[in-house]
Amino acid sequence: SYVLTQPPSLSLAPGESARFTCGGNNIGTKSVHWYQRKPGQAPVLVIYYDSDRPSGIPERFSASNSGNTATLTISSVEAGDEADYYCQVWDSSTDLGVVFGGGTKLTVL
Amino acid sequence: QLQMQESGPGLVKPSETLSLTCTVSGGSISSSSYFWGWIRQPPGKGLEWIGSIYYSGSTYYNPSLKSRVTISVDTSKNQFSLKLTSVTAADTAVYYCARVGNQIYYDILTGHNKVGRRFDPWGQGTLVTVSS
Repeated sequence: SYVLTQPPSLSLAPGESARFTCGGNNIGTKSVHWYQRKPGQAPVLVIYYDSDRPSGIPERFSASNSGNTATLTISSVEAGDEADYYCQVWDSSTDLGVVFGGGTKLTVL
Repeated sequence: QLQMQESGPGLVKPSETLSLTCTVSGGSISSSSYFWGWIRQPPGKGLEWIGSIYYSGSTYYNPSLKSRVTISVDTSKNQFSLKLTSVTAADTAVYYCARVGNQIYYDILTGHNKVGRRFDPWGQGTLVTVSS
Protein backbone atom coordinates (compact mmCIF):
# COMPACT_ATOMS: atom_id res chain seq x y z
CA SER A 1 0.00 0.00 0.00
CA TYR A 2 1.06 3.59 -0.54
CA VAL A 3 2.29 5.48 2.54
CA LEU A 4 2.59 9.22 3.12
CA THR A 5 4.98 10.23 5.90
CA GLN A 6 4.66 13.52 7.79
CA PRO A 7 6.64 14.70 10.83
CA PRO A 8 4.32 14.66 13.85
CA SER A 9 4.99 18.16 15.08
CA LEU A 10 6.43 21.57 14.28
CA SER A 11 6.87 24.47 16.71
CA LEU A 12 7.58 28.01 15.57
CA ALA A 13 7.41 31.58 16.79
CA PRO A 14 5.10 34.10 15.11
CA GLY A 15 6.66 35.52 11.99
CA GLU A 16 8.77 32.47 11.24
CA SER A 17 8.30 30.36 8.13
CA ALA A 18 6.66 26.93 8.49
CA ARG A 19 7.69 24.10 6.21
CA PHE A 20 5.67 20.90 6.26
CA THR A 21 6.95 17.86 4.41
CA CYS A 22 5.02 14.90 3.04
CA GLY A 23 7.13 11.98 1.90
CA GLY A 24 6.00 9.25 -0.48
CA ASN A 25 7.48 7.03 -3.15
CA ASN A 26 7.54 9.10 -6.36
CA ILE A 27 4.99 11.47 -4.87
CA GLY A 28 6.02 13.94 -7.56
CA THR A 29 4.01 11.85 -10.03
CA LYS A 30 0.85 12.27 -7.97
CA SER A 31 -1.46 15.21 -7.31
CA VAL A 32 -1.05 16.36 -3.70
CA HIS A 33 -3.63 18.20 -1.65
CA TRP A 34 -3.16 19.81 1.78
CA TYR A 35 -5.73 20.34 4.54
CA GLN A 36 -5.73 22.44 7.70
CA ARG A 37 -7.72 21.19 10.66
CA LYS A 38 -8.14 23.45 13.66
CA PRO A 39 -9.40 21.99 16.95
CA GLY A 40 -13.12 21.38 16.91
CA GLN A 41 -13.44 22.34 13.25
CA ALA A 42 -13.72 20.44 9.99
CA PRO A 43 -10.67 20.19 7.73
CA VAL A 44 -10.23 22.95 5.19
CA LEU A 45 -8.51 22.55 1.84
CA VAL A 46 -5.59 24.98 1.68
CA ILE A 47 -3.69 23.64 -1.36
CA TYR A 48 -4.80 21.43 -4.25
CA TYR A 49 -3.13 20.06 -7.39
CA ASP A 50 0.29 20.35 -5.72
CA SER A 51 0.42 24.14 -5.52
CA ASP A 52 -2.93 25.80 -6.27
CA ARG A 53 -4.66 27.86 -3.57
CA PRO A 54 -8.46 27.84 -3.22
CA SER A 55 -10.10 31.23 -3.07
CA GLY A 56 -9.95 32.69 0.41
CA ILE A 57 -6.67 31.02 1.34
CA PRO A 58 -3.97 33.63 2.06
CA GLU A 59 -0.99 34.00 -0.25
CA ARG A 60 1.19 33.08 2.73
CA PHE A 61 0.30 29.48 1.89
CA SER A 62 2.32 27.93 -0.93
CA ALA A 63 3.41 24.41 -1.89
CA SER A 64 5.52 22.32 -4.21
CA ASN A 65 5.85 18.68 -5.15
CA SER A 66 8.84 16.91 -6.66
CA GLY A 67 10.60 13.58 -6.43
CA ASN A 68 9.72 11.84 -3.20
CA THR A 69 8.65 14.91 -1.19
CA ALA A 70 5.80 17.37 -1.28
CA THR A 71 6.14 20.55 0.77
CA LEU A 72 3.65 23.04 2.18
CA THR A 73 5.06 26.39 3.28
CA ILE A 74 3.41 29.04 5.42
CA SER A 75 5.41 32.22 5.34
CA SER A 76 5.29 34.32 8.51
CA VAL A 77 3.10 32.10 10.68
CA GLU A 78 0.42 33.61 12.87
CA ALA A 79 -1.28 32.34 16.00
CA GLY A 80 -4.35 31.58 13.90
CA ASP A 81 -2.35 29.09 11.81
CA GLU A 82 -2.02 26.73 14.76
CA ALA A 83 -3.61 23.50 13.52
CA ASP A 84 -2.98 20.02 12.19
CA TYR A 85 -1.91 19.85 8.54
CA TYR A 86 -2.53 16.77 6.40
CA CYS A 87 -1.36 15.86 2.93
CA GLN A 88 -3.44 13.60 0.68
CA VAL A 89 -3.12 11.85 -2.68
CA TRP A 90 -5.07 9.46 -4.85
CA ASP A 91 -3.08 6.29 -5.35
CA SER A 92 -4.19 4.68 -8.56
CA SER A 93 -1.38 2.12 -8.50
CA THR A 94 -3.06 0.06 -5.80
CA ASP A 95 -6.62 -0.57 -4.71
CA LEU A 96 -6.24 1.79 -1.77
CA GLY A 97 -7.45 4.91 -3.51
CA VAL A 98 -7.34 7.91 -1.19
CA VAL A 99 -4.33 8.15 1.10
CA PHE A 100 -3.82 10.68 3.90
CA GLY A 101 -0.58 11.44 5.66
CA GLY A 102 -0.50 11.11 9.42
CA GLY A 103 -0.58 14.88 9.89
CA THR A 104 1.75 17.48 11.39
CA LYS A 105 0.68 19.53 14.38
CA LEU A 106 1.80 23.14 14.12
CA THR A 107 2.28 24.92 17.43
CA VAL A 108 2.80 28.67 17.33
CA LEU A 109 4.82 29.61 20.41
CA GLN B 1 -22.22 27.96 -1.74
CA LEU B 2 -22.18 24.21 -1.35
CA GLN B 3 -22.74 22.93 2.16
CA MET B 4 -22.58 19.42 3.62
CA GLN B 5 -24.31 18.25 6.79
CA GLU B 6 -23.91 14.89 8.48
CA SER B 7 -26.72 13.39 10.54
CA GLY B 8 -27.28 10.20 12.47
CA PRO B 9 -27.03 8.60 15.91
CA GLY B 10 -24.16 9.68 18.10
CA LEU B 11 -24.09 6.41 20.01
CA VAL B 12 -24.00 2.90 18.56
CA LYS B 13 -23.70 -0.37 20.43
CA PRO B 14 -20.89 -2.82 19.65
CA SER B 15 -21.68 -5.33 16.88
CA GLU B 16 -24.48 -3.11 15.55
CA THR B 17 -24.58 -1.03 12.37
CA LEU B 18 -23.52 2.61 12.20
CA SER B 19 -25.69 4.63 9.83
CA LEU B 20 -25.05 8.22 8.76
CA THR B 21 -26.50 10.48 6.11
CA CYS B 22 -24.95 13.48 4.42
CA THR B 23 -27.28 16.13 3.05
CA VAL B 24 -25.90 18.34 0.29
CA SER B 25 -27.30 21.85 -0.14
CA GLY B 26 -26.43 24.64 -2.52
CA GLY B 27 -25.61 22.27 -5.35
CA SER B 28 -26.65 19.03 -7.02
CA ILE B 29 -25.32 15.67 -5.98
CA SER B 30 -25.93 14.57 -9.58
CA SER B 31 -23.06 16.66 -10.91
CA SER B 32 -20.87 14.62 -13.23
CA SER B 33 -17.77 16.48 -12.00
CA TYR B 34 -17.68 15.13 -8.49
CA PHE B 35 -17.65 12.12 -6.25
CA TRP B 36 -18.97 12.23 -2.68
CA GLY B 37 -16.97 10.82 0.19
CA TRP B 38 -16.83 9.77 3.81
CA ILE B 39 -13.77 10.28 6.00
CA ARG B 40 -13.32 9.65 9.71
CA GLN B 41 -10.94 10.69 12.46
CA PRO B 42 -10.64 8.56 15.61
CA PRO B 43 -9.79 10.48 18.79
CA GLY B 44 -6.13 11.45 18.80
CA LYS B 45 -5.49 9.93 15.39
CA GLY B 46 -5.29 11.07 11.80
CA LEU B 47 -7.75 11.17 8.94
CA GLU B 48 -8.91 7.89 7.38
CA TRP B 49 -10.77 7.69 4.08
CA ILE B 50 -13.75 5.36 4.24
CA GLY B 51 -15.06 5.45 0.69
CA SER B 52 -16.52 7.50 -2.12
CA ILE B 53 -19.54 7.30 -4.41
CA TYR B 54 -20.51 8.76 -7.78
CA TYR B 55 -24.07 9.93 -8.42
CA SER B 56 -24.56 6.90 -10.67
CA GLY B 57 -23.90 4.64 -7.70
CA SER B 58 -20.32 3.59 -8.50
CA THR B 59 -18.33 3.19 -5.32
CA TYR B 60 -14.72 3.04 -4.10
CA TYR B 61 -13.95 1.75 -0.63
CA ASN B 62 -10.92 1.66 1.63
CA PRO B 63 -9.78 -1.98 1.41
CA SER B 64 -9.36 -2.13 5.18
CA LEU B 65 -13.06 -1.37 5.67
CA LYS B 66 -14.53 -2.73 2.45
CA SER B 67 -16.07 -5.84 3.98
CA ARG B 68 -18.13 -3.75 6.42
CA VAL B 69 -18.94 -0.59 4.44
CA THR B 70 -21.78 0.33 2.14
CA ILE B 71 -22.16 3.82 0.68
CA SER B 72 -25.30 4.68 -1.23
CA VAL B 73 -26.76 7.76 -2.91
CA ASP B 74 -30.28 9.17 -3.13
CA THR B 75 -30.29 11.78 -5.85
CA SER B 76 -33.95 12.66 -5.25
CA LYS B 77 -33.08 13.84 -1.73
CA ASN B 78 -29.60 15.15 -2.63
CA GLN B 79 -28.15 12.84 0.01
CA PHE B 80 -25.64 10.04 0.32
CA SER B 81 -25.32 7.60 3.18
CA LEU B 82 -22.85 5.44 5.03
CA LYS B 83 -23.45 2.08 6.68
CA LEU B 84 -20.73 0.39 8.70
CA THR B 85 -21.58 -3.00 10.10
CA SER B 86 -20.28 -4.95 13.11
CA VAL B 87 -18.84 -1.87 14.79
CA THR B 88 -16.37 -1.98 17.66
CA ALA B 89 -14.83 0.65 19.91
CA ALA B 90 -12.18 1.14 17.22
CA ASP B 91 -14.88 2.67 15.02
CA THR B 92 -15.41 5.51 17.48
CA ALA B 93 -14.55 8.64 15.53
CA VAL B 94 -15.68 11.94 14.12
CA TYR B 95 -17.23 11.12 10.75
CA TYR B 96 -17.07 13.69 7.96
CA CYS B 97 -18.70 13.83 4.57
CA ALA B 98 -17.18 15.84 1.75
CA ARG B 99 -17.43 16.56 -1.94
CA VAL B 100 -14.64 14.95 -3.94
CA GLY B 101 -13.28 16.75 -6.97
CA ASN B 102 -12.41 14.44 -9.83
CA GLN B 103 -10.07 15.72 -12.50
CA ILE B 104 -7.34 14.22 -14.58
CA TYR B 105 -4.86 16.79 -15.79
CA TYR B 106 -1.46 16.96 -17.42
CA ASP B 107 1.30 18.30 -15.19
CA ILE B 108 3.71 20.20 -17.47
CA LEU B 109 6.48 20.25 -14.86
CA THR B 110 6.67 16.48 -14.42
CA GLY B 111 5.26 15.33 -17.74
CA HIS B 112 2.76 13.11 -15.92
CA ASN B 113 -0.98 12.81 -16.08
CA LYS B 114 -2.27 13.27 -12.57
CA VAL B 115 -5.54 12.31 -10.93
CA GLY B 116 -6.71 15.12 -8.68
CA ARG B 117 -9.26 13.93 -6.12
CA ARG B 118 -9.52 16.58 -3.44
CA PHE B 119 -12.04 16.86 -0.62
CA ASP B 120 -13.76 20.24 -0.57
CA PRO B 121 -15.92 21.32 1.16
CA TRP B 122 -16.32 19.18 4.26
CA GLY B 123 -19.26 18.85 6.60
CA GLN B 124 -18.79 19.93 10.19
CA GLY B 125 -18.42 16.30 11.27
CA THR B 126 -20.38 14.17 13.70
CA LEU B 127 -18.97 12.22 16.62
CA VAL B 128 -20.06 8.59 16.73
CA THR B 129 -19.23 6.67 19.87
CA VAL B 130 -19.38 2.89 19.94
CA SER B 131 -20.26 1.78 23.45
CA SER B 132 -22.72 -0.43 25.26
